[in-house]
Amino acid sequence: GAGVSQSPSNKVTEKGKDVELRCDPISGHTALYWYRQSLGQGLEFLIYFQGNSAPDKSGLPSDRFSAERTGGSVSTLTIQRTQQEDSAVYLCASSFLTPLKGRAYEQYFGPGTRLTVT
Amino acid sequence: GQQVMQIPQYQHVQEGEDFTTYCNSSTTLSNIQWYKQRPGGHPVFLIQLVKSGEVKKQKRLTFQFGEAKKNSSLHITATQTTDVGTYFCAGPNSGYALNFGKGTSLLVTP
Repeated sequence: GAGVSQSPSNKVTEKGKDVELRCDPISGHTALYWYRQSLGQGLEFLIYFQGNSAPDKSGLPSDRFSAERTGGSVSTLTIQRTQQEDSAVYLCASSFLTPLKGRAYEQYFGPGTRLTVT
Repeated sequence: GQQVMQIPQYQHVQEGEDFTTYCNSSTTLSNIQWYKQRPGGHPVFLIQLVKSGEVKKQKRLTFQFGEAKKNSSLHITATQTTDVGTYFCAGPNSGYALNFGKGTSLLVTP
């Protein structure tokens, strides 16, 4: 079956503009994660969805970042008033198993959206 | 908070040489996962270790989980150019997600 898909693959935006990044998880995967990866760095957790609710938003760096998930499937990450430090690759991942606190399961990553803020 | 550290940051080997990357957590982990990211690609799950002292093999790759469940290693025997990429270890955070190490980038010269 299809893997995790993300769109757009690349996004260049001007500082101060809003952007929306989309993620389509693997069908049937109820757990969905957003991470971001800056150049040469590891992955930084942003937010976790279980179904349509987000029990863990602890990684969102500021109130300019928000995310939603509808129908237990597609998720959108919105960044308002983008700043240059928001430039990174935004990765979405999904997992079939529902994680317990302190026990995450294997995650399947999408190809990412490369965001460049000029 | 819980941190996952990886060493080395970079490793350059000749094809056929062995390679090892090490991962250390500041806290005991319920499990540890390893991912590989090819240049320009996205992380791909390799394996999960759960038990203290566990050793798992995938062809030329050997994964170990320490007795105290705070460290892990990935060893590649006789590297090939297809092994090029960044290898990440990841442990569950206190919530529902993973804390990733910064990764070890492996370069293999033919």
